[in-house]
Amino acid sequence: AQSVTQLGSHVSVSEGALVLLRCNYSSSVPPYLFWYVQYPNQGLQLLLKYTSAATLVKGINGFEAEFKKSETSFHLTKPSAHMSDAAEYFCAVGTGFQKLVFGTGTRLLVSP
Amino acid sequence: DAGITQSPRYKITETGRQVTLMCHQTWSHSYMFWYRQDLGHGLRLIYYSAAADITDKGEVPDGYVVSRSKTENFPLTLESATRSQTSVYFCASTPTWDTGTDTQYFGPGTRLTVL
Repeated sequence: AQSVTQLGSHVSVSEGALVLLRCNYSSSVPPYLFWYVQYPNQGLQLLLKYTSAATLVKGINGFEAEFKKSETSFHLTKPSAHMSDAAEYFCAVGTGFQKLVFGTGTRLLVSP
Repeated sequence: DAGITQSPRYKITETGRQVTLMCHQTWSHSYMFWYRQDLGHGLRLIYYSAAADITDKGEVPDGYVVSRSKTENFPLTLESATRSQTSVYFCASTPTWDTGTDTQYFGPGTRLTVL
């Protein structure tokens, strides 16, 4: 069975600071890993995904994530937070959309 | 409008009533999905459909019914609503099942409250 764990239900950063959102996964097969963003009153939007082509994955809005097999991690980072990054972020794992497993989400708060 | 839409966006109903949530997509995607989002659980799959007239259960199907007579529509029905079905419901679509090559597109959600 596949699963993901997102550490920290809330993360607070100042504008301009590094953003680090943590995701650890469990999978018996090589995983596909995803980060989604959800803005208030909207559906989820794909930020980036890992499909084994490269361990460092670049996504939209300046976000990137690094797949580390030895640590079973896929943490999301952004060098400099913007106010517009305030949202909820979900990590997910799955080799088929009908089997996609989502984490419980991390709410990113950005203060001026 | 192009894309994926859900209606209604907000719904309040009473225990025991039947409620239908609508989902419509304009891309002719084969796959459509219904999720519920609850605090502390992330998104959980209720039902999905691989094509018109083909549906299958997800992780939490109990109390829900789906149909798909047309490719573009995927309604979700709560036959007798319970308070535990209070949630935010998201519809999604994608061309294929392949997470490696395709992207899943989500609707804006329906916030359902069962009193």
